[in-house]
Amino acid sequence: DTGVSQNPRHKITKRGQNVTFRCDPISEHNRLYWYRQTLGQGPEFLTYFQNEAQLEKSRLLSDRFSAERPKGSFSTLEIQRTEQGDSAMYLCASSLAGSGDGYTFGSGTRLTVV
Amino acid sequence: SQELEQSPQSLIVQEGKNLTINCTSSKTLYGLYWYKQKYGEGLIFLMMLQKGGEEKSHEKITAKLDEKKQQSSLHITASQPSHAGIYLCGADEGGSNYKLTFGKGTLLTVNP
Repeated sequence: DTGVSQNPRHKITKRGQNVTFRCDPISEHNRLYWYRQTLGQGPEFLTYFQNEAQLEKSRLLSDRFSAERPKGSFSTLEIQRTEQGDSAMYLCASSLAGSGDGYTFGSGTRLTVV
Repeated sequence: SQELEQSPQSLIVQEGKNLTINCTSSKTLYGLYWYKQKYGEGLIFLMMLQKGGEEKSHEKITAKLDEKKQQSSLHITASQPSHAGIYLCGADEGGSNYKLTFGKGTLLTVNP
């Protein structure tokens, strides 16, 4: 297992377009998290899944954002009608509930909305 | 909500020097994580602390959580250029065990 994988690494899109990011967690991890990080700031929690259930969504996640984890494995984060303010690094992390091993982060997807 | 303040915001040291980064919380820390981030990349897990007074070391990096569980420090001994990057502290918000709140990070530059 090579860790948490995110694709694409970079995405440039025009304002108003839809974008989708993918995250493949560590295979035995049942929890998956999405965070957003802007320049000079720490990551901010967006949402998390335990298996296929989305258990919490931050108020940062507007109606234009949707995340899924259909089979409890990989996850997708979609942003509809992108705005310039959506430009950020989107980070995915995974963990095994109760293991005490912490969260493993992926390398992120950097979104630029022009 | 929990807020984490890191100090200093940035730090420039000469190779071989020791340094300390601090992370102070507005609330009790139930789980405190230290991560390192290279610019434009993901977060690399360094250490996790949970108990008051706990101290962990890995190679030349030592992290401590104070007895009151409101402050943590990260100490690097004999710094090397490979230590350069952004150091982030994160806390399990309210003991949630699923949501991390992060500080803004400390940018470390190590000059050879």
